[in-house]
Amino acid sequence: DVKVTQSSRYLVKRTGEKVFLECVQDMDHENMFWYRQDPGLGLRLIYFSYDVKMKEKGDIPEGYSVSREKKERFSLILESASTNQTSMYLCASSLYGTSLSSQYFGPGTRLTVT
Amino acid sequence: RKEVEQDPGPFNVPEGATVAFNCTYSNSASQSFFWYRQDCRKEPKLLMSVYSSGNEDGRFTAQLNRASQYISLLIRDSKLSDSATYLCVVKEHPNTDKLIFGTGTRLQVFP
Repeated sequence: DVKVTQSSRYLVKRTGEKVFLECVQDMDHENMFWYRQDPGLGLRLIYFSYDVKMKEKGDIPEGYSVSREKKERFSLILESASTNQTSMYLCASSLYGTSLSSQYFGPGTRLTVT
Repeated sequence: RKEVEQDPGPFNVPEGATVAFNCTYSNSASQSFFWYRQDCRKEPKLLMSVYSSGNEDGRFTAQLNRASQYISLLIRDSKLSDSATYLCVVKEHPNTDKLIFGTGTRLQVFP
């Protein structure tokens, strides 16, 4: 089974702090994704990466950056956390380039910014 | 207009009932289609892919209507354990592995 793990299930940070969310997958997937999920808005793509050191902006990249130094690890960085970044953050991975390739999700990190 | 639209529900049905969800998508060039299931406070998990000819997996049947740009999910003989949010998911372009998620339809099965 594919396993996607995230560094924390719950996180509380203060406004202005730099926040790192880590994601690791063990299935040698090329693609990795970061989403946030908010009530009524569904899953929104922040950034994704299809290879080491490659990244592409998703629909809501403002206020976030990412890092992919190794194939299995994809980090989401909040440079200066703000209260509107309080959300559930979900990481996912998938195989590259197959039409029926579905995404496998980690358990999520519920981030609260106070 | 949203790229993928679903009725948010909730759909409240008794055990044993048959329930159907529909989903519409805006991009006629969309390539692949999926249904995901998300339990409360858990991550989404793939329920089934949706094939052009329609497909069945046990009590679950998925249909695709490209002409009308909608996807459906039918659940027969509902179980209490089917209570969850069902997400309609579309892959729009052949050159990207990005997926577009609907906001989900909540199902509550009661005894």
